[in-house]
Amino acid sequence: QQQVKQSPQSLIVQKGGISIINCAYENTAFDYFPWYQQFPGKGPALLIAIRPDVSEKKEGRFTISFNKSAKQFSLHIMDSQPGDSATYFCAASMKGSGNTPLVFGKGTRLSVIA
Amino acid sequence: DAGVIQSPRHEVTEMGQEVTLRCKPISGHNSLFWYRQTMMRGLELLIYFNNNVPIDDSGMPEDRFSAKMPNASFSTLKIQPSEPRDSAVYFCASSFGRVNYGYTFGSGTRLTVV
Repeated sequence: QQQVKQSPQSLIVQKGGISIINCAYENTAFDYFPWYQQFPGKGPALLIAIRPDVSEKKEGRFTISFNKSAKQFSLHIMDSQPGDSATYFCAASMKGSGNTPLVFGKGTRLSVIA
Repeated sequence: DAGVIQSPRHEVTEMGQEVTLRCKPISGHNSLFWYRQTMMRGLELLIYFNNNVPIDDSGMPEDRFSAKMPNASFSTLKIQPSEPRDSAVYFCASSFGRVNYGYTFGSGTRLTVV
C-alpha cells in the first residue's frame, strides 16, 4: 500500500518557468512533510519541509503549499534553472521527529531545458 | 563533518554469494535507516534503529536480509545468499531525534547481482 502518491513521474520545464510537483497522502497521523532532491549518483538531500499547522512555506525559489483538508501538498520551484534538474521526492512521517521513518513518494524526474 | 559514509560504492557479485554493505552515520545522530531504491518501487524502508536498537524490520524482504548496529558509529546490511532481484541502490541515512529534523543520506551502494 502506497501511503504517499506523487505526480507526475516526469516533468519538463523551460528555464525560467514554474515547476509544480504534487503529493497526496492517506494517513491523517502524518504531521511532517519534507521534500528531498536527488542528483544522479548521490543520495537524496533534504530540500524543504512543512508541518500541517501552516499552509505554505517558502525558502528562496522553493515553496511548499499544504492543504490539510484535501490531504495534499505540493512543491513549487519558481524561475526553474537547469541546475534544478534532478529527481524530487515528497515524504511524510508521524510525530515530526527524526526518529520515525519517512514514507517516500515514488519520485518526479525534473528536467529544466534552456 | 564527513556526512554519512557508505561502503562500498559499487558491488558486483555472483548469485549465491554473501554481500555486506557498511554504513557510518553522522556522529551524534541516534537513528539509522536502511533504504533500498529501485526504479519500480522507489525508496523502500528496510529497517531502522533508534539508539542502536532495531525498531522495525518489517521492510526486510526475506530472511536472506539481516542488519546489525553493534555501536553508534557502525551498521551493516547483509544479504546471504544474494539473488539477481536484490540488485538495487542501498542507502543508509541517519538523523537526530528532534522535531523537524530531516535525514542525511549517504551516497549509496549500487549492488549488482549477476
